[in-house]
Amino acid sequence: GENVEQHPSTLSVQEGDSAVIKCTYSDSASNYFPWYKQELGKRPQLIIDIRSNVGEKKDQRIAVTLNKTAKHFSLHITETQPEDSAVYFCAASKWTGGFKTIFGAGTRLFVKA
Amino acid sequence: NAGVTQTPKFRVLKTGQSMTLLCAQDMNHEYMYWYRQDPGMGLRLIHYSVGEGTTAKGEVPDGYNVSRLKKQNFLLGLESAAPSQTSVYFCASSSSLNTEAFFGQGTRLTVV
Repeated sequence: GENVEQHPSTLSVQEGDSAVIKCTYSDSASNYFPWYKQELGKRPQLIIDIRSNVGEKKDQRIAVTLNKTAKHFSLHITETQPEDSAVYFCAASKWTGGFKTIFGAGTRLFVKA
Repeated sequence: NAGVTQTPKFRVLKTGQSMTLLCAQDMNHEYMYWYRQDPGMGLRLIHYSVGEGTTAKGEVPDGYNVSRLKKQNFLLGLESAAPSQTSVYFCASSSSLNTEAFFGQGTRLTVV
């Protein structure tokens, strides 16, 4: 069936370094790719998203890139801070005669001060 | 402006019992969703609604029913709870499909 693979499952970086999380999706009809951040015991919150007609999007320290041919998209966080520590989820969504959204299993990011 | 509110926050059920989870949003969103979150598995869509009076199945609908009698409310029902339904349940809403989803604070359900 359709799935989204997310890597790595755990990532530990030093404060100030960059962090990269990668996702690969299987359904080529997917056209919306959000990234959610979930702090411990809290609700998921959108941090950035990208649509299939765009290759890259940036918002301050956060950027997302999309390669539709490879069915691959990545989250880049620069100048990491301790408050970036959380679990990050990618997702691939589509609306073609019905809504479908598949989430990755998540990446736990630790930023060491 | 409360956003998306779920009740209850915690619940313990015995196998075979029934319950209803309530989701309310005050953002006038057309679209609402119910997800479950299990360790190591991300979020999985149970059911969703594209407007008042409409519902549709998601990825894992078995054992659950939903209703959207009012635009602001989306109810998730478990008719006969099973231990496999132990999970954290999140409700979400959005102004349209394929846009930002706003999540509730979650309901931790344990079925014993």
